[in-house]
Amino acid sequence: DVKVTQSSRYLVKRTGEKVFLECVQDMDHENMFWYRQDPGLGLRLIYFSYDVKMKEKGDIPEGYSVSREKKERFSLILESASTNQTSMYLCASSLDGGTGTEAFFGQGTRLTVV
Amino acid sequence: GNSVTQMEGPVTLSEEAFLTINCTYTATGYPSLFWYVQYPGEGLQLLLKATKADDKGSNKGFEATYRKETTSFHLEKGSVQVSDSAVYFCATPGAGGYQKVTFGIGTKLQVIP
Repeated sequence: DVKVTQSSRYLVKRTGEKVFLECVQDMDHENMFWYRQDPGLGLRLIYFSYDVKMKEKGDIPEGYSVSREKKERFSLILESASTNQTSMYLCASSLDGGTGTEAFFGQGTRLTVV
Repeated sequence: GNSVTQMEGPVTLSEEAFLTINCTYTATGYPSLFWYVQYPGEGLQLLLKATKADDKGSNKGFEATYRKETTSFHLEKGSVQVSDSAVYFCATPGAGGYQKVTFGIGTKLQVIP
């Protein structure tokens, strides 16, 4: 089974802190994604990576950056956390297999910024 | 770019009731369409998909048919169970490449015994 593992289920951070969210997948997938999930807004793509060291901005990249130094690991970085970044963060991965390819998700990290 | 619109919830049904969750899409051409499900405390998982017009996806008693005439991909189940309580997301590849899937807002389903 494909497994996508996010390093933390729950995090509480202070405003202004630098925050790292880590994600690891074990199926050699080319593509990895970070989404945030908010009530009434669904999932919104923050960043996407299609290869090591390659990244593309999603719909809401402001205030975030990412790092992909190894194929299996994709990190989301909040440079200076703010209260409006309190949310559920979901990591996903997929094969580069065409338009019908399934995405596999981690369990999510619920981040609270106080 | 491609997008989906799904009905807002929450939807509350009694066990064994019939379920329909509406989803319509806006797209150039005929992109793949997906339904994902998120059970409480978990990430999303693929429930079913259809990769071309007139296809029917099915899984765990759920079905959805890709209808180009009505640009719809409604999710249906004939008899829901308490264990079906979850949030359901309609999705399609969005703008900027097929890898980037765009999701609807999610419909929360609660099934009561």
